[in-house]
Amino acid sequence: EPEVTQTPSHQVTQMGQEVILRCVPISNHLYFYWYRQILGQKVEFLVSFYNNEISEKSEIFDDQFSVERPDGSNFTLKIRSTKLEDSAMYFCASSSPGLGMPDTQYFGPGTRLTVL
Amino acid sequence: EDKVVQSPLSLVVHEGDTVTLNCSYEVTNFRSLLWYKQEKKAPTFLFMLTSSGIEKKSGRLSSILDKKELFSILNITATQTGDSAIYLCAGTSGNTPLVFGKGTRLSVIA
Repeated sequence: EPEVTQTPSHQVTQMGQEVILRCVPISNHLYFYWYRQILGQKVEFLVSFYNNEISEKSEIFDDQFSVERPDGSNFTLKIRSTKLEDSAMYFCASSSPGLGMPDTQYFGPGTRLTVL
Repeated sequence: EDKVVQSPLSLVVHEGDTVTLNCSYEVTNFRSLLWYKQEKKAPTFLFMLTSSGIEKKSGRLSSILDKKELFSILNITATQTGDSAIYLCAGTSGNTPLVFGKGTRLSVIA
């Protein structure tokens, strides 16, 4: 069964450093998302991506964040200068219109980012 | 602002019990409500509901949506320790961000 994959599973970085989180969405999906979950809190939307551009972003997704689909399979989230409060689990998700359940987003296993 | 509210936030039951988890939503141009199970990491998909009154069922789990009253319930019958998890409810207007509730933490004890 196809699934969303994410690397790395855990990233530890120093405050102020840049990190890139990687995701490979399900191959025939067209919509891609990043969410984050701070420990003990609810899952929060960061950004959605469709047709090679950002379709929607939340207030959390400020200038420190960027997303890219550098090739036909990868989808990346970059944080330019990490802050302590960026420590969270970051989930990638994908979905596709035109299939039986178009609104269903399938989540990857997550990357746990720890900023020291 | 769109919001999803789940109750209870936490629940402890014994194996074999039946539980009902609640989710109310206020989502602009609402189209679907989704239930996920989160054990250690990623939310795993359980159900997507778009129509009122039609029960979706998968084994011991079932869910139904009431679009008039803006809520959904998730039922789990004959609970097992493997059902212990956080159950997340999320609303969407379709191919848009999911708005999640805080989740219900279910603990099933033997």
